[in-house]
Amino acid sequence: GQNIDQPTEMTATEGAIVQINCTYQTSGFNGLFWYQQHAGEAPTFLSYNVLDGLEEKGRFSSFLSRSKGYSYLLLKELQMKDSASYLCAATDSNYQLIWGAGTKLIIKP
Amino acid sequence: ETGVTQTPRHLVMGMTNKKSLKCEQHLGHNAMYWYKQSAKKPLELMFVYNFKEQTENNSVPSRFSPECPNSSHLFLHLHTLQPEDSALYLCASSQGEGSGSYEQYFGPGTRLTVT
Repeated sequence: GQNIDQPTEMTATEGAIVQINCTYQTSGFNGLFWYQQHAGEAPTFLSYNVLDGLEEKGRFSSFLSRSKGYSYLLLKELQMKDSASYLCAATDSNYQLIWGAGTKLIIKP
Repeated sequence: ETGVTQTPRHLVMGMTNKKSLKCEQHLGHNAMYWYKQSAKKPLELMFVYNFKEQTENNSVPSRFSPECPNSSHLFLHLHTLQPEDSALYLCASSQGEGSGSYEQYFGPGTRLTVT
């Protein structure tokens, strides 16, 4: 079956760095998305990786290893506003998205 | 208005009621989606429309009935729901066919409570 695994919850300190991991098992693979969702709000797109390696976008970076079925989202210089859920979603061979349950990130002062 | 809008934002309905959720996108996208989001569960894709034609129905009970009159509007008609249908219902749109082809733009959702 197709499956996405990511931790349920993580806690980090303001100003620090946190890495949110995601492993996926899909029928074929055509890329991986990360979305951010603040409580009570819509998910918003953060990043898309289809090739191996690290993609950097300001304080946020996303990494992909296709051979390991693994991705992570790296958040640097954490701010209180980064408290949110982070959703990992992989695209299968039919270009359908398989979603993880999300990682709730709690930032403490 | 810009982006994806949804109304109502909150809805409480009894099991015998009939109600409709509305979604509108102002992005010129051709694909629209309905998702169900329950606490601590992955997003569940319910329906997909591409150029207002339904291309996917992921074994959703018939008490949920979608309607897509044009590429900008999407409705979800609800009738005789069950308490387990209480969830956040999200609408999304994207440029292309296949939910994983392009990034999706989500509306704020309708928080539905079935009593």
